[in-house]
Amino acid sequence: NAGVTQTPKFQVLKTGQSMTLQCAQDMNHEYMSWYRQDPGMGLRLIHYSVGAGITDQGEVPNGYNVSRSTTEDFPLRLLSAAPSQTSVYFCASSTGRRLIGTEAFFGQGTRLTVV
Amino acid sequence: DAKTTQPNSMESNEEEPVHLPCNHSTISGTDYIHWYRQLPSQGPEYVIHGLTSNVNNRMASLAIAEDRKSSTLILHRATLRDAAVYYCITGNQFYFGTGTSLTVIP
Repeated sequence: NAGVTQTPKFQVLKTGQSMTLQCAQDMNHEYMSWYRQDPGMGLRLIHYSVGAGITDQGEVPNGYNVSRSTTEDFPLRLLSAAPSQTSVYFCASSTGRRLIGTEAFFGQGTRLTVV
Repeated sequence: DAKTTQPNSMESNEEEPVHLPCNHSTISGTDYIHWYRQLPSQGPEYVIHGLTSNVNNRMASLAIAEDRKSSTLILHRATLRDAAVYYCITGNQFYFGTGTSLTVIP
């Protein structure tokens, strides 16, 4: 199994550009989520989904959109990139409807720089 | 949400046991205790989780205090590959703090 796959691994954007970070999992997990990690900080939850067609906001949702049309994919869209969105982005998935009480799987991250 | 407190950093000699503490004095009765670790330039990796009883798996052991206000992750024999940031997580929203940075000395 590939687990959780994130693409691209690295990206440089100019301020105001838009882009989509891709996340795919092949474990048939219902729960998927996006985190960002700033230098020297822990991970902060951006958005999450408990199943296809269902999404909700996390701790820091502003500037990001998500959708979940299939069980496998959970893309994260930056509508108008800002330097404050420079960060490492992680996608996670787990069985059940949340990360609680189970093993979560994380992707390897997308390192985004906004100039 | 439940909050955890961990030391910022710890050191251990290679091949010795490591005890990583976590304080979660506001944990609710139904909150699980999870531990993840993050190696440099990688995504977090699941280590172990538990609710009330001590837990063992191939990576580590989790010792949970009787009042559940604290727990300890035990690495039985530290290796250089165990050098990472270890996160203790409780509560409903699965928030990561800054964790404990473990240095393993050869």
